[in-house]
Amino acid sequence: KNEVEQSPQNLTAQEGEFITINCSYSVGISALHWLQQHPGGGIVSLFMLSSGKKKHGRLIATINIQEKHSSLHITASHPRDSAVYICAVRYGGATNKLIFGTGTLLAVQP
Amino acid sequence: DAGVTQSPTHLIKTRGQQVTLRCSPKSGHDTVSWYQQALGQGPQFIFQYYEEEERQRGNFPDRFSGHQFPNYSSELNVNALLLGDSALYLCASSLLGQAYEKLFFGSGTQLSVL
Repeated sequence: KNEVEQSPQNLTAQEGEFITINCSYSVGISALHWLQQHPGGGIVSLFMLSSGKKKHGRLIATINIQEKHSSLHITASHPRDSAVYICAVRYGGATNKLIFGTGTLLAVQP
Repeated sequence: DAGVTQSPTHLIKTRGQQVTLRCSPKSGHDTVSWYQQALGQGPQFIFQYYEEEERQRGNFPDRFSGHQFPNYSSELNVNALLLGDSALYLCASSLLGQAYEKLFFGSGTQLSVL
């Protein structure tokens, strides 16, 4: 079982739909990152969360520390949102490494 | 302000060969982490370098080694390449102790081992 689980693995949506991607982790963390990866490899950091909720444009990220769960929401989805969305957690203490989920492949159709 | 740059972008090697990948961190960053991403998988942590020393290491064999230079740039070396080493190799830079800042990744080096 992966330390970081994402769901769904694949998601197809119609343009304009509201999208939710979920991430669960197994132990206490110091921070959680949501990342976007387009074909070709480049990874872009979307959010870093340690508590609560953050919003940037049409993207919203929430985290529930007690339930060890985070969600990434995309409102009014657009074909340019098509990408792999990856959740990564950083555990507390001296460690600085990240543990990544396997990603959610999102395809938004016009 | 240049972000994280990696070279080369693509590389083809044969089994048993050795490869060196390079990473220049974002300006102002002093820590470089390397990740291996197999097709359809999330990145896996290889190791992290700070002050020219390996600080942490993931579950990778000794065939994977690295180096950090005084200008904070870094190299990843893989010896005795195996077919299973074919993957996208990503470099990320950060500032030590700044666990709560955004992450900055390079575009990666796609390594194919034939």
